[in-house]
Amino acid sequence: KAGVTQTPRYLIKTRGQQVTLSCSPISGHRSVSWYQQTPGQGLQFLFEYFSETQRNKGNFPGRFSGRQFSNSRSEMNVSTLELGDSALYLCASSLGGSSGELFFGEGSRLTVL
Amino acid sequence: AQSVSQHNHHVILSEAASLELGCNYSYGGTVNLFWYVQYPGQHLQLLLKYFSGDPLVKGIKGFEAEFIKSKFSFNLRKPSVQWSDTAEYFCAVQNAGGTSYGKLTFGQGTILTVHP
Repeated sequence: KAGVTQTPRYLIKTRGQQVTLSCSPISGHRSVSWYQQTPGQGLQFLFEYFSETQRNKGNFPGRFSGRQFSNSRSEMNVSTLELGDSALYLCASSLGGSSGELFFGEGSRLTVL
Repeated sequence: AQSVSQHNHHVILSEAASLELGCNYSYGGTVNLFWYVQYPGQHLQLLLKYFSGDPLVKGIKGFEAEFIKSKFSFNLRKPSVQWSDTAEYFCAVQNAGGTSYGKLTFGQGTILTVHP
């Protein structure tokens, strides 16, 4: 079956702009999580959505937000971009239990100039 | 708060050498443990996982890991590495007893380079 699909794969923005990233989970998976990966900080958890509700949230400023649609697809948005937001943003899906294995997409690489 | 420490940032081996990558975590509760691998240009893939039971778990491609609860460790091993094992390896911990809801705490990763 198809894996986790993220779009766009690459994008370049300038400071102050906003960006929206999209994630389609594996068919049947109802949970979508988002992670930020940078060389300095590694992989850090942003938030998780299940049935259109945010159930968990990491320690990121309010500029980072997300949502999930009824078909389980998810988007994350970063407003007022800063240079430090340059990163690989990873989406992961799972069946949605309180714990368990995550399946990752290839990521969206954001460069902020 | 949970934290995960991977002992080595970069490991360089020759083919057929044995591999052991260290991983220690700090968390007092029940945990699920994972090793993920990221091959160049590819997405994170699960190598193996431990939820409960036998602390020696076997994964794909000949990898195995041992959970030692008293040492808060989950070291990854492979008896004989191949050039194709060149990748970055991540150890991750999840709160099993509560509501982790999609949250894994990752180590900083270990880059493995295998020379032919």
